[in-house]
Amino acid sequence: AQSVTQLGSHVSVSEGALVLLRCNYSSSVPPYLFWYVQYPNQGLQLLLKYTTGATLVKGINGFEAEFKKSETSFHLTKPSAHMSDAAEYFCAVSERETSGSRLTFGEGTQLTVNP
Amino acid sequence: GAVVSQHPSRVICKSGTSVKIECRSLDFQATTMFWYRQFPKKSLMLMATSNEGSKATYEQGVEKDKFLINHASLTLSTLTVTSAHPEDSSFYICSASGTSATYEQYFGPGTRLTVT
Repeated sequence: AQSVTQLGSHVSVSEGALVLLRCNYSSSVPPYLFWYVQYPNQGLQLLLKYTTGATLVKGINGFEAEFKKSETSFHLTKPSAHMSDAAEYFCAVSERETSGSRLTFGEGTQLTVNP
Repeated sequence: GAVVSQHPSRVICKSGTSVKIECRSLDFQATTMFWYRQFPKKSLMLMATSNEGSKATYEQGVEKDKFLINHASLTLSTLTVTSAHPEDSSFYICSASGTSATYEQYFGPGTRLTVT
């Protein structure tokens, strides 16, 4: 069975500061890992994904995440926060070998960016 | 990129009536579609998984007679909320997955259902 834990339901940063959103996963097989962003009353937009290969993954809007198998983590970072980054962020995992494209989501982290 | 649309974007219906939500993959063939429900300030809860031409697989606790899912073609899935009640009010999101080796899901913009 797969699961995702996002540490911190709310994260607040100042504009220009580092953004760090934490995600730890549990998976019985090599996972696929995803980060999605959701703006109010909208669907989910894919920020980045890890499937195989390079463990440091770069996504849209300056975000990146690093897959660390030893720590079962996939934390999302951005060097400098922008006001437009304020949104809800979801980490998700899929076990492609056992459940195909079925995703398990974390509880989400609300990012607030202060001017 | 892959685009998924949902219609309507928001709907208000009276208690006891049924409402249908459409999910379409616009530029790819979706072999699998997923329906999620999202409560305010909460994560997405998977309701059911549907494969084209076969019956949907519902998650535990989801009433299949209340939430009817049809996946009649590779580009269209529908969710019908039957005999809606105020507690069915929620944000419903669909996603679609094609034949990509990464099994990526592409999400629709969501439908806000309000039952009065």
